Amino acid sequence: SYELTQPPSVSVSPGQTAIITCSGDRLGGTYVCWYQQKAGQAPVGIIYQDTVRPSGVPERFSGSNSGNTATLTISGTQPMDEAEYYCQAWDSTKVVFGGGTKLTVL
Amino acid sequence: VQLVESGGGLVQPGRSLRLSCAASGFTFDDFAMHWVRQAPGKGLEWVSGISWNGGTIYYGDSLKDRFTISRDNAKNSLYLQMNSLRTEDTAFYYCARDIHGGVGGSGYFASWGQGTLVTVSS
Repeated sequence: SYELTQPPSVSVSPGQTAIITCSGDRLGGTYVCWYQQKAGQAPVGIIYQDTVRPSGVPERFSGSNSGNTATLTISGTQPMDEAEYYCQAWDSTKVVFGGGTKLTVL
Repeated sequence: VQLVESGGGLVQPGRSLRLSCAASGFTFDDFAMHWVRQAPGKGLEWVSGISWNGGTIYYGDSLKDRFTISRDNAKNSLYLQMNSLRTEDTAFYYCARDIHGGVGGSGYFASWGQGTLVTVSS
């Protein structure tokens, strides 16, 4: 079955740029979405179709996808961005999620 | 957009449970809907998706034999019938709205409910 691989954790200082990767075979050939989940809350979508930011999502969140890797970039990371982040893609008739990346802002 | 799940609770292994998701704030029959689950302390796992008219249904690996997704557009409701429950089915179950009417390809979970907890234990 298709797998998406994320680093378990990423740490960043406030104001710096956080980069979270999502790897999968030929991932650049399909659309990737990203979700943010804060502790005790439901997930929230922050990027879809690789690069599209839904209304209400801050401009500091951006996405890209090429080759075997999709990337979520958070520019000027804020303490409120501390959360778990999941990538997601479709593999034929199934949805696949990455294992999640815990972003720590310290 | 509001999605409210219900029907979770404590159930014994081998028993059945039916989850419901009440939708409001949008035209329900314009959008595909999904169930996503999350075991406590674990990551997200997609369970199933259904197109706007119920004509296309997909399931996650190994779930099709025990779980059945359905929808009632007249009642703005999504359902998940879960049979032969196992301890590994213990999770929060989220209802999510797609951005498209069909399932697949560029689908994205634009809105999520707060989830309902299903605990399978003897």
